Amino acid sequence: DIVLTQSPALAVSLGQRATISCRASESVRSSMHWYQQKSGQQPKLLIYGASNLASGVPARFSGSGSGTDFTFTIDPVEADDIATYYCQQSRNDPPTFGSGTKLEIK
Amino acid sequence: QVQLKESGPGLVQPSETLSLTCTVSGFSLTSYSVSWVRQPSGKGPEWMGRMWYDGDTAYNSALKSRLSISRDTSKNQVFLKMNSLQTDDTGTYYCTRDLMGITGFDYWGQGVMVTVSS
Repeated sequence: DIVLTQSPALAVSLGQRATISCRASESVRSSMHWYQQKSGQQPKLLIYGASNLASGVPARFSGSGSGTDFTFTIDPVEADDIATYYCQQSRNDPPTFGSGTKLEIK
Repeated sequence: QVQLKESGPGLVQPSETLSLTCTVSGFSLTSYSVSWVRQPSGKGPEWMGRMWYDGDTAYNSALKSRLSISRDTSKNQVFLKMNSLQTDDTGTYYCTRDLMGITGFDYWGQGVMVTVSS
C-alpha cells in the first residue's frame, strides 16, 4: 500500500499563508487529493488531481506537486479554516490517506 | 443534488456482524461507484471497499476476509456487512461517491458512529 506522510500540526496567524506537505512512498503521478475535516463533520473535498479546485471551494485554497511530493496552501488563512487536512492518493488500490495535519491559529 | 446517507446500528457486540446501508440520491449507482470509508476517533480515514458502477466489488486486503459490499439499484442503496467485529472496529463509517483516479471521493455521507462494546 502507498503510505502518505504529513506533519501532524501547523500553527499560523490569521491572514498569513499555511502550507501543508504530503509525501508519498512511491509515485502517484497527479492522483492526489486534499480534504478538509472540521470537528464532528465528514471530510470535504477541496483539491483534486493535485491542483484542481473542487466546485464551490474558495480560491484561497490551492495545491501543487506531482510524483511523490505535494503541497497544499491556504492563503490567506481565515478563522473558519480551523480543521484537519488530509491528503489522499487514488493512483493505486487501496486508496490511502495521510494521517492528517491539524491547522491551528496562533 | 447529490446526497448519500448512512444508516445502521450505533452499537454492536464484539464478534457480531455490522450491517450498514447507504442510500444515495442525485446520481445513479450504475454510473458511479460508491466506497465505504471508516475513521477511528482521532485518526485518519481508512478505505474499506468499493461497489463499482458495473456491480463488481473491490476490498481492502486487510478487511477482505470479513467484509462484503452489495447493492440494490432499484432502491439506490449500497450495503456493507462486516463480521467478527472487535473493539478496534469502533469509529465513524462513511459512504462516499468514488471517482477513483479522477477526483477521489467527491461527496460524502454524514457518517454513522459505530461502537463495538459489550
